[in-house]
Amino acid sequence: AQSVTQLGSHVSVSEGALVLLRCNYSSSVPPYLFWYVQYPNQGLQLLLKYTSAATLVKGINGFEAEFKKSETSFHLTKPSAHMSDAAEYFCAVSDRDDYKLSFGAGTTVTVRA
Amino acid sequence: EAQVTQNPRYLITVTGKKLTVTCSQNMNHEYMSWYRQDPGLGLRQIYYSMNVEVTDKGDVPEGYKVSRKEKRNFPLILESPSPNQTSLYFCASSSRTGSSYEQYFGPGTRLTVT
Repeated sequence: AQSVTQLGSHVSVSEGALVLLRCNYSSSVPPYLFWYVQYPNQGLQLLLKYTSAATLVKGINGFEAEFKKSETSFHLTKPSAHMSDAAEYFCAVSDRDDYKLSFGAGTTVTVRA
Repeated sequence: EAQVTQNPRYLITVTGKKLTVTCSQNMNHEYMSWYRQDPGLGLRQIYYSMNVEVTDKGDVPEGYKVSRKEKRNFPLILESPSPNQTSLYFCASSSRTGSSYEQYFGPGTRLTVT
């Protein structure tokens, strides 16, 4: 079964600083990878996804992620944090051509003024 | 507006009192699923359905039931809730987008069992 590991359950950044959230997957075959964001009291919203096209994937709200097969990683970055980026972020993985998603434990981002 | 709706959004109940959380989608999606979210554990799949009358267990199905009599609805049933089922529950439906599937999530139902 697919699994993902998110390093760091909490990340605190200053407004304007780089946001870096780490995600590693366990699979011998490159899967499909997703990042979701959950704002307080809301459901999950898709930020971006990797489906074996470009390895650098751009998403909404200025986020991007890079798929690195050699490192089995799919880290999420944003060059300049905004207060509105405070949320919980989930990395998720699925086998190709499969509906099932397996989620990481989540990383909560706080942004300091 | 394309959406997944869940009701109720908040529910406090007592041990053993049967409850149902409804889920409905208006996107004609074939695939629907239920997740529970617990701190430090992320989202874990409870049950899923590939189509009407087709349901299967996810990773944590114990204590839950589902049904899929209509394509748009996928209710979650707790016949005898226990305190360890206190959690945040999400319903999701999925469509195929290009070569992958994209899941759309409902707003969540926060359940407390005392």
